[in-house]
Amino acid sequence: EPEVTQTPSHQVTQMGQEVILRCVPISNHLYFYWYRQILGQKVEFLVSFYNNEISEKSEIFDDQFSVERPDGSNFTLKIRSTKLEDSAMYFCASRERANSPLHFGNGTRLTVT
Amino acid sequence: KQEVTQIPAALSVPEGENLVLNCSFTDSAIYNLQWFRQDPGKGLTSLLLIQSSQREQTSGRLNASLDKSSGRSTLYIAASQPGDSATYLCAGVNYGGSQGNLIFGKGTKLSVKP
Repeated sequence: EPEVTQTPSHQVTQMGQEVILRCVPISNHLYFYWYRQILGQKVEFLVSFYNNEISEKSEIFDDQFSVERPDGSNFTLKIRSTKLEDSAMYFCASRERANSPLHFGNGTRLTVT
Repeated sequence: KQEVTQIPAALSVPEGENLVLNCSFTDSAIYNLQWFRQDPGKGLTSLLLIQSSQREQTSGRLNASLDKSSGRSTLYIAASQPGDSATYLCAGVNYGGSQGNLIFGKGTKLSVKP
């Protein structure tokens, strides 16, 4: 069964550094998302992306965050200058069409020291 | 603002038992609702999606129902097995919201003892 794949599985970075988290959504999917889960807390929506543009973003997704789909297969989340509170599991998700189930990747655990 | 609550937070049952996990939401304007399972350190696996026109969905030993009037959803697991041990999350989308902007509960951690 096709899956959403995310790399790396674990990323350690120093505060103030830029990080790029990478995702390959399922190939025929049209809607793409990033979520995050801080340890012990709920999964939170960050941003949705459709037709090569952001369709919605949460309050968490401030100017330090950006997303890109550079080549039609990869979908990336960039954090420009990481903070300690950015430490979390970041999940990429995709869906085929508006009313179909959301499929998640296994996540990237980001640790900011 | 929509809040999703899952009760109980943790549940331990012997193998073979039937069980029900509960999910409630503060705003009944839920458009659709999706149940996921999350294994430790892993991503979320979609189990069932109940769309706006539906009241329940079934897949194998799993059955999920949605009652918008009461603001509740339940996930029924029949004949539980040790392999069912995981955290189960429910997530809903509000009317008027983006289809991908799921609002999650904190989950129910299920342990099925052999």
